[in-house]
Amino acid sequence: GQSLEQPSEVTAVEGAIVQINCTYQTSGFYGLSWYQQHDGGAPTFLSYNALDGLEETGRFSSFLSRSDSYGYLLLQELQMKDSASYFCAVNRDDKIIFGKGTRLHILP
Amino acid sequence: NAGVTQTPKFRILKIGQSMTLQCTQDMNHNYMYWYRQDPGMGLKLIYYSVGAGITDKGEVPNGYNVSRSTTEDFPLRLELAAPSQTSVYFCASRREGTNEKLFFGSGTQLSVL
Repeated sequence: GQSLEQPSEVTAVEGAIVQINCTYQTSGFYGLSWYQQHDGGAPTFLSYNALDGLEETGRFSSFLSRSDSYGYLLLQELQMKDSASYFCAVNRDDKIIFGKGTRLHILP
Repeated sequence: NAGVTQTPKFRILKIGQSMTLQCTQDMNHNYMYWYRQDPGMGLKLIYYSVGAGITDKGEVPNGYNVSRSTTEDFPLRLELAAPSQTSVYFCASRREGTNEKLFFGSGTQLSVL
């Protein structure tokens, strides 16, 4: 089987940095993706790691370590609009499987 | 481009009724997916397709059927609706390549009463 584990909730302060972790128990996948979903909306793509290491896209960065079966999403300079749910996902044999998501709460 | 379009946006069904959720994309993507999302939960893969004429089961296929007669369309059929199928349904598509970016439709809120 395959499973992706994420913390259910994370709280951070506006302007700060927060890291959302994703550990997985699957092998043979192509890469790790991250999606953002605001309440009532559809998920939107944030980043993709095909290789180990850090990928940076503006205020968001994502990291993958296949040897540790671990990845994370790093959000910097947090803004109130970043309050949302964040999902990691893997592609295994063309099936894209999502974790249960992490709800990010941002305090002013 | 409209991207991924889902219809209807909302629907209420009675137990035992059937319906088809429509999904169409205009990006010429080969890969299409159907997910359901229960409140406060992640997305569960129902069915997916890697091209016209090819479909396969995902994590939670029971109670659903799909077809893929064209590249653009990927309808999801619910037969004999049950309260357990009350959920938000998302259709998504992506192109084949190194970036696995999924493009999502706006979703269909379905209630079975």
